[in-house]
Amino acid sequence: GAVVSQHPSWVICKSGTSVKIECRSLDFQATTMFWYRQFPKQSLMLMATSNEGSKATYEQGVEKDKFLINHASLTLSTLTVTSAHPEDSSFYICSARDSRGGQPQHFGDGTRLSIL
Amino acid sequence: AQTVTQSQPEMSVQEAETVTLSCTYDTSESDYYLFWYKQPPSRQMILVIRQEAYKQQNATENRFSVNFQKAAKSFSLKISDSQLGDAAMYFCAYRSPTGTASKLTFGTGTRLQVTL
Repeated sequence: GAVVSQHPSWVICKSGTSVKIECRSLDFQATTMFWYRQFPKQSLMLMATSNEGSKATYEQGVEKDKFLINHASLTLSTLTVTSAHPEDSSFYICSARDSRGGQPQHFGDGTRLSIL
Repeated sequence: AQTVTQSQPEMSVQEAETVTLSCTYDTSESDYYLFWYKQPPSRQMILVIRQEAYKQQNATENRFSVNFQKAAKSFSLKISDSQLGDAAMYFCAYRSPTGTASKLTFGTGTRLQVTL
């Protein structure tokens, strides 16, 4: 079946550094990928929609300069948390839609980000 | 904007028994998709079942079935013959059919405990 690989699965870094998270569709092309954030015991909140070859669409309240999204190919989207601070610590999950259409979105396994 | 409401933060069921998780949603669209996702402690998002709004027949997947009431905007999940492995967070989700609005909107989740 379709697989979405998300890397890294867990990262710990110092405050002020930038962290890049990758989301790859392994056996299908994805013109659209989605980035979610999940706080402990809470639901998934959509941060942005990543579109191949164009700018990402951010949800209201999400800082574009803080969370940089690049979707340079049909199989890869990256989320960079710039100048990370402890409040950015969270669980980040990506999902991808097959360009051929159909359901459903395929989710990565998530990245646990801890900023010290 | 669409909203999804799960009014049961936690539910408990005995092994081999049946449990129903509630979900209501608000939308002005006539065509859409509804999903139930399971998130175990590993935090993977696993698709349990999906329903197309234009289909009157309720979806079923083995021990999982839904009660889709379009007029009432209700989409409950029934788990029959509950197993220990069913213990997880369950999220109800809504998706518009096409276009940039095709993102998933999640409910707040229901934590299901399965007891012996």
